[in-house]
Amino acid sequence: DAGVTQSPTHLIKTRGQQVTLRCSPKSGHDTVSWYQQALGQGPQFIFQYYEEEERQRGNFPDRFSGHQFPNYSSELNVNALLLGDSALYLCASSPRGGAIYNEQFFGPGTRLTVL
Amino acid sequence: DAKTTQPPSMDCAEGRAANLPCNHSTISGNEYVYWYRQIHSQGPQYIIHGLKNNETNEMASLIITEDRKSSTLILPHATLRDTAVYYCIVRAISGNTGKLIFGQGTTLQVKP
Repeated sequence: DAGVTQSPTHLIKTRGQQVTLRCSPKSGHDTVSWYQQALGQGPQFIFQYYEEEERQRGNFPDRFSGHQFPNYSSELNVNALLLGDSALYLCASSPRGGAIYNEQFFGPGTRLTVL
Repeated sequence: DAKTTQPPSMDCAEGRAANLPCNHSTISGNEYVYWYRQIHSQGPQYIIHGLKNNETNEMASLIITEDRKSSTLILPHATLRDTAVYYCIVRAISGNTGKLIFGQGTTLQVKP
């Protein structure tokens, strides 16, 4: 079992561009959450997907959107990139709708740099 | 969700016990204490959780005070690989979807 995988590992974009990050959950997991981690800060919850729908959202603008596919994998899209969007983007997956904390696993993250 | 307060950094000698404190004075009766850690350049990793009794697993021990307003994570024999940021999180166990609210955490530096 490969665990949670994310791609790409690193990404460099310029202001105003759009980016798509991808996440494959751990086998058997149906819920995917996305977090943004700025340098020196703890991860901040962006949103969560379950049954192909956004179920819960943190305090992030509409420029941040996502999708979950029938195979439970997920994408995070960010439009009109700002310098402040530079961060490590983490994906976490969990089974059974995400209700059990000790069964939530994080991926290694995608490091996004906006120039 | 209750707010938590942790010291920003701590040092520990290799082989000694590392005791990481967390204050959660506004914790409610249905809220658990969870600990995660994040080793540099990796995603956070679950360590342990508890409600009011002390808990122990293969990674660590969790001591929760009787009034539940604070807790201590204990790594009994710290190694260099335990150098990481440790996050204390308080969250209700029911009626939630697994969203985690991270604070700043404590950076633990294990020194040889």
